[in-house]
Amino acid sequence: GQNIDQPTEMTATEGAIVQINCTYQTSGFNGLFWYQQHAGEAPTFLSYNVLDGLEEKGRFSSFLSRSKGYSYLLLKELQMKDSASYLCAGMDSNYQLIWGAGTKLIIKP
Amino acid sequence: GAVVSQHPSWVICKSGTSVKIECRSLDFQATTMFWYRQFPKQSLMLMATSNEGSKATYEQGVEKDKFLINHASLTLSTLTVTSAHPEDSSFYICSARDDEFGYNEQFFGPGTRLTVL
Repeated sequence: GQNIDQPTEMTATEGAIVQINCTYQTSGFNGLFWYQQHAGEAPTFLSYNVLDGLEEKGRFSSFLSRSKGYSYLLLKELQMKDSASYLCAGMDSNYQLIWGAGTKLIIKP
Repeated sequence: GAVVSQHPSWVICKSGTSVKIECRSLDFQATTMFWYRQFPKQSLMLMATSNEGSKATYEQGVEKDKFLINHASLTLSTLTVTSAHPEDSSFYICSARDDEFGYNEQFFGPGTRLTVL
């Protein structure tokens, strides 16, 4: 079966760094996505990885290891506005997104 | 950038009535659109894949006669919740693939919050 696992909730301090992990099992693989979702809003795209390695985009970076079925989202210099749910999604061989349940990130001052 | 709109943003209706939600790609063509449902504190659940000019593909457990999908043009898909009941209350989100850029990203609409009394 297809499955995406990520922690339910994480807490971090403003200004710090946090890493949100995601493991995936998909039928075929066409990439790994990270989305940010604030409460009551639709998801917004953060990153896409299809090759192994680290992709850096400002304060956010995403890493992929296809052999391990593993990805992480790294958030640096945390700001209060980063408090949100972070959704990991794998794209299968049919180009369909398989969604994780999301990680609720709580930022404390 | 690619923008997807949804209308209405929120709707309250009586049990037994039907509600239509529109999803539009504003600055790109989208042969394929997706309809999701999200209950509080849960992840997105794909309900159906909407393809312009053909029948929608529904996920297992989603009643196609209850959730009617029409994708009549390359920029518009509609979801009609027929004979809505309180258990249909949820956050409905659509997304669209940009035909020009292929499969690699889905652009999300802002969502529609449906409350059935």
